[in-house]
Formats: sequence, C-alpha cells, structure tokens
Amino acid sequence: DTGVSQNPRHKITKRGQNVTFRCDPISEHNRLYWYRQTLGQGPEFLTYFQNEAQLEKSRLLSDRFSAERPKGSFSTLEIQRTEQGDSAMYLCASSLEVDEQYFGPGTRLTVT
Amino acid sequence: AQSVTQPDIHITVSEGASLELRCNYSYGATPYLFWYVQSPGQGLQLLLKYFSGDTLVQGIKGFEAEFKRSQSSFNLRKPSVHWSDAAEYFCAVGAPGRRALTFGSGTRLQVQP
Repeated sequence: DTGVSQNPRHKITKRGQNVTFRCDPISEHNRLYWYRQTLGQGPEFLTYFQNEAQLEKSRLLSDRFSAERPKGSFSTLEIQRTEQGDSAMYLCASSLEVDEQYFGPGTRLTVT
Repeated sequence: AQSVTQPDIHITVSEGASLELRCNYSYGATPYLFWYVQSPGQGLQLLLKYFSGDTLVQGIKGFEAEFKRSQSSFNLRKPSVHWSDAAEYFCAVGAPGRRALTFGSGTRLQVQP
C-alpha cells in the first residue's frame, strides 16, 4: 500500500468557479478526515467520515463546501463559488480504529 | 475546547546539536498527543504518539517526546540533529471519542552545517 493519495496536487481556479478534490485513503482504513492548512499555520479540521457516514463537521465548513464518501472508500471535497479566502492546502487523512491519522500530500488550491 | 501552543515559531540548531521543541496543550482530561513533521510541499508524517502508559515515547528518526501532565506539555527531543531534519514540526492533540485533531501553529527547524 502506498499510503493516502490526493488528486490533483495543485489547482488554480478563478473566483466563482467550483472545484472538486479527491482523496483515496489507505485501503483498510474506515475513517477519513479533511483538513485545511493556510500558510504558516497548522492544519484545521474540516470534516470526518466513518465508512460512508459523515459524523462531524467543523464550523469552518461553510455551505459552499460539501464532502462525500460514497461506499466508504474514496472521498471528494467540493467547493462551490470559490473565494480568494479558500486558497489553502487541503489535506486528507485516514485511520483505523485508533486515532493515529495518516496524511496525504495535499491539494494546493489557488483562487485568482 | 482543546488547544495547542507551540511557543517557538522558528528554531535554528547546528548539525549534531541536541534539539527540544516545545508543545503545551489545554485539555481537561488526558489527551492523545502527537508530533508530526512536514517537509516543503509534502504532507504530514507521524513521528510519534502518546495515548497512555509510559510518559516517554520513542518515535521514528531518533525522536522522542515526554508527556508531563503537571506542565501540560509534550516536548519533542532529539539528541543529535541531522541536516535532513530541517522541516516544520507540528504538535497535535486529540480527545477520546472525538476524531478531529487540533494542531499547533508549528515550529520551523533550520539546521546549520
């Protein structure tokens, strides 16, 4: 297993456009997390899935953000009507039953 | 709510010197504690974790950390730093039953030859 993968690695988009990111977790991991990291800061939690159920969402996750994990495998994070403040690194992590999260390389979003 | 403070934004050490990165947390009970390392353009790699038991934990790459409940600290140490250790280091806290990790703002480590 090669770990958590994320695509694309980089995304440049114009303000107002929609973007979608994909995360493929480690195959046996049933838990999946999304975080956002801005320059000079640590990651901030966005949302968490156990299998296909979205069990927790941060207040950071505005109505423009939506995440899915169909069939409890890969996950997508969509941002609608992007704003310049959405520019950040979006990190995905996965874990088994214990709280040891393994992170992917991230998707860097730039909104122009 | 839990929080993490990493007081040192930037630390420079000479190669071969010892290293200690500070981490203080705020949480009402015994938390889960983690140290992650992030190299430029990379994701976060787990260095070590503390859930319970022995308060001195060993991790990868020669790192260790000590949980001190009385000081609400979980400082990361390495006896001899290598140039490849230059990176950003993040301390994180989790809580039993809550899956989100709360991260500190990170400490950037620079290693001088």
